[in-house]
Amino acid sequence: QKEVEQDPGPLSVPEGAIVSLNCTYSNSAFQYFMWYRQYSRKGPELLMYTYSSGNKEDGRFTAQVDKSSKYISLFIRDSQPSDSATYLCAMSVGRDDKIIFGKGTRLHILP
Amino acid sequence: DADVTQTPRNRITKTGKRIMLECSQTKGHDRMYWYRQDPGLGLRLIYYSFDVKDINKGEISDGYSVSRQAQAKFSLSLESAIPNQTALYFCATSEGPGQGDLAVAKNIQYFGAGTRLSVL
Repeated sequence: QKEVEQDPGPLSVPEGAIVSLNCTYSNSAFQYFMWYRQYSRKGPELLMYTYSSGNKEDGRFTAQVDKSSKYISLFIRDSQPSDSATYLCAMSVGRDDKIIFGKGTRLHILP
Repeated sequence: DADVTQTPRNRITKTGKRIMLECSQTKGHDRMYWYRQDPGLGLRLIYYSFDVKDINKGEISDGYSVSRQAQAKFSLSLESAIPNQTALYFCATSEGPGQGDLAVAKNIQYFGAGTRLSVL
């Protein structure tokens, strides 16, 4: 079983829809959870990170961690064509530790 | 100006050639990383460096070497390029260990814009 699993997509949704992106993981010791966004021909950029369980909200984006299920989610409300990108989840055990990246989900928001 | 700068942005080379990709950063971070990204395989770590005197192999270091010339500079070399090294290469930096709130991650990585390398 891979440490971090992420559906590669592509995921296509109409503009204005709520998007749900997910990752599962196998290492119960992970405590730091991140979401990166990567536009075409660009490097990944940090979108959000959370520590331990719970939700974190930033504008239209909500990151959710369910440690009991080893499952993390990123929700995008009122999706826009500019949200079209690849979204990578990432996680680590300690705050200084090596980051394990998911392979990314390609998202297309249709105007 | 970008905090993490990679040069060149694009490179086409021939099998057997030596090639160097360069990375410089103005973030003042101690830690630097080289990744390659391939469709369906995601980001794979090639080498990483926690300071100027510390170099570590990642999961796919064969065929690659690195040099950490200064805190701000980390270069990746392909001694004899082969076609299956065609990929998108990223340099990244992170802050490293420090004091303070345990809820604040110190390993968040900041990426350059990438180098698209084609080996013919």
